[in-house]
Amino acid sequence: GAGVSQTPSNKVTEKGKYVELRCDPISGHTALYWYRQSLGQGPEFLIYFQGTGAADDSGLPNDRFFAVRPEGSVSTLKIQRTERGDSAVYLCASSLLTGRVNTQYFGPGTRLTVL
Amino acid sequence: KQEVTQIPAALSVPEGENLVLNCSFTDSAIYNLQWFRQDPGKGLTSLLLIQSSQREQTSGRLNASLDKSSGRSTLYIAASQPGDSATYLCAAYNNAGNMLTFGGGTRLMVKP
Repeated sequence: GAGVSQTPSNKVTEKGKYVELRCDPISGHTALYWYRQSLGQGPEFLIYFQGTGAADDSGLPNDRFFAVRPEGSVSTLKIQRTERGDSAVYLCASSLLTGRVNTQYFGPGTRLTVL
Repeated sequence: KQEVTQIPAALSVPEGENLVLNCSFTDSAIYNLQWFRQDPGKGLTSLLLIQSSQREQTSGRLNASLDKSSGRSTLYIAASQPGDSATYLCAAYNNAGNMLTFGGGTRLMVKP
């Protein structure tokens, strides 16, 4: 079956612009996660959705970052007034959340470059 | 706050060697621990997930162990191959099982 997909694969924008990054989770997965990975580092948690609601957004760095999942499937990460420090790979993952085994399956990521 | 550390940061070995990658975490109240592989410019591929009640998991040439009391996990790769060259990441689930904290990764190079 299809895995987690993310679009675009690459996004180049200018400082101050607004960007949207999209994630399509595995069909039927109720949980969706966003992570950010800077060069040479491990991914860092941003936000977690259970269904349509953000269950934990403690990892969002500031109020320029916002994410939605209006129908409990596709999610969009939105970044306003982008800064050069926002350049990173943004990873999305989804999981089924059954029992104690909650394997997260990751998409290929969107590489964001802010010039 | 959970912190996950991986040592070494980089490792280069000749083909055929057995090797061990180390992962340590500061908060032993983890739900599960997962090892991932990441190829350059790619996403993460899950290798092994160890539940908090387990001590190890095996898949082919890979064996991962978990010692919660000492805050450590190891990934053992037997008979390494050039195709094993990648970055290996360990990640600990929080006690609610819904958030991963990652280490910085170990970049492995297996030379033919």
